[in-house]
Amino acid sequence: DTGVSQNPRHKITKRGQNVTFRCDPISEHNRLYWYRQTLGQGPEFLTYFQNEAQLEKSRLLSDRFSAERPKGSFSTLEIQRTEQGDSAMYLCASSARTGFEQYFGPGTRLTVT
Amino acid sequence: TQLLEQSPQFLSIQEGENLTVYCNSSSVFSSLQWYRQEPGEGPVLLVTVVTGGEVKKLKRLTFQFGDARKDSSLHITAAQPGDTGLYLCAGAGGRDDKIIFGKGTRLHILP
Repeated sequence: DTGVSQNPRHKITKRGQNVTFRCDPISEHNRLYWYRQTLGQGPEFLTYFQNEAQLEKSRLLSDRFSAERPKGSFSTLEIQRTEQGDSAMYLCASSARTGFEQYFGPGTRLTVT
Repeated sequence: TQLLEQSPQFLSIQEGENLTVYCNSSSVFSSLQWYRQEPGEGPVLLVTVVTGGEVKKLKRLTFQFGDARKDSSLHITAAQPGDTGLYLCAGAGGRDDKIIFGKGTRLHILP
């Protein structure tokens, strides 16, 4: 296992379209996190899963955002009816246990035109 | 609400100089991580500190966790252009040991 992977690396979409991103965590990690990062800022927490259960969602996660981790392995983050303000880097991270080191994927850069 | 404040926000220095960046909070953390992030990539974990007063060294980088586990510093000796990047600290604490990130220090080393 070479680490956390994310696909696609880049996505350009028109406003109003739906997009879906995928994250494959480190295989033995049961915790998976999604973050959003805009230029010049640190990662902002969106949501996290322990196995297949989504345990917390940030207030940043509007109704247009949904995340799943159906079998406790990979996860998807979907944004419906994208807006220009959704343009950001979407980062996925995984960890082996609560409050411990998180390992990040390379991110998906979303540009909404 | 737990907050991590990093300072300075930006730092530009000449190759060969030493520097220190800081990560401060009014909250106690059970552990604290430092990451380095390059443009267009995800953060890469550098170190985790868990014990108050702990000092860890990674080549020219020295990390210290405050005695009260509320703050941390990263010292770089003889900075090199390859050290350029965004340095993020992240602390775990509170209910569920949730991890929060600072906004980062953007470091630029001039050759």
